[in-house]
Amino acid sequence: DAGITQSPRHKVTETGTPVTLRCHQTENHRYMYWYRQDPGHGLRLIHYSYGVKDTDKGEVSDGYSVSRSKTEDFLLTLESATSSQTSVYFCAISEYRGRETQYFGPGTRLLVL
Amino acid sequence: EDKVVQSPLSLVVHEGDTVTLNCSYEVTNFRSLLWYKQEKKAPTFLFMLTSSGIEKKSGRLSSILDKKELFSILNITATQTGDSAVYLCAVNFGNEKLTFGTGTRLTIIP
Repeated sequence: DAGITQSPRHKVTETGTPVTLRCHQTENHRYMYWYRQDPGHGLRLIHYSYGVKDTDKGEVSDGYSVSRSKTEDFLLTLESATSSQTSVYFCAISEYRGRETQYFGPGTRLLVL
Repeated sequence: EDKVVQSPLSLVVHEGDTVTLNCSYEVTNFRSLLWYKQEKKAPTFLFMLTSSGIEKKSGRLSSILDKKELFSILNITATQTGDSAVYLCAVNFGNEKLTFGTGTRLTIIP
């Protein structure tokens, strides 16, 4: 398994509070991604990064921001959580050369009350 | 808009049966198609296909891509209860991103 960890693994929070999810990799891969997975929608890309301090938006980026200050860490922040952001969040990584093949972290289950 | 459609949405078969899962996509700028298996955790990579007509095989699983007709199939022979999972198809449309289908939920009855 690729060396990817996510923290926390589970979180319950209240509407309006800020939340930060962390993805940490030990593979030194250039590309990192944040997805959310919801019933009926599959995996949808939130944001991705193609290098330190280089990020771009995915298809469902509204309400989310990201930061990548080190190769190994990619943070996803919900500035003011809403109930519609209740979901399972997956981080993924890929190498530069074979970047199509993405490897996924264990996921974070977030419940916004 | 890049689109990936999987069928069927769910499938229930008996152990030992052979199953075929389908993935079709709309073409914009196709680069590769990937299959993942997802049990009650993170998706795990199965295959990546880039060339039409070349079968990828791993044990009882195999997959093939038809770039002319814009689809791929994933075959599983002699199914086992451990094959029960959601199978995800994803397409790279020529950039750093993958577009995923909604998946096929496969249930194997002992």
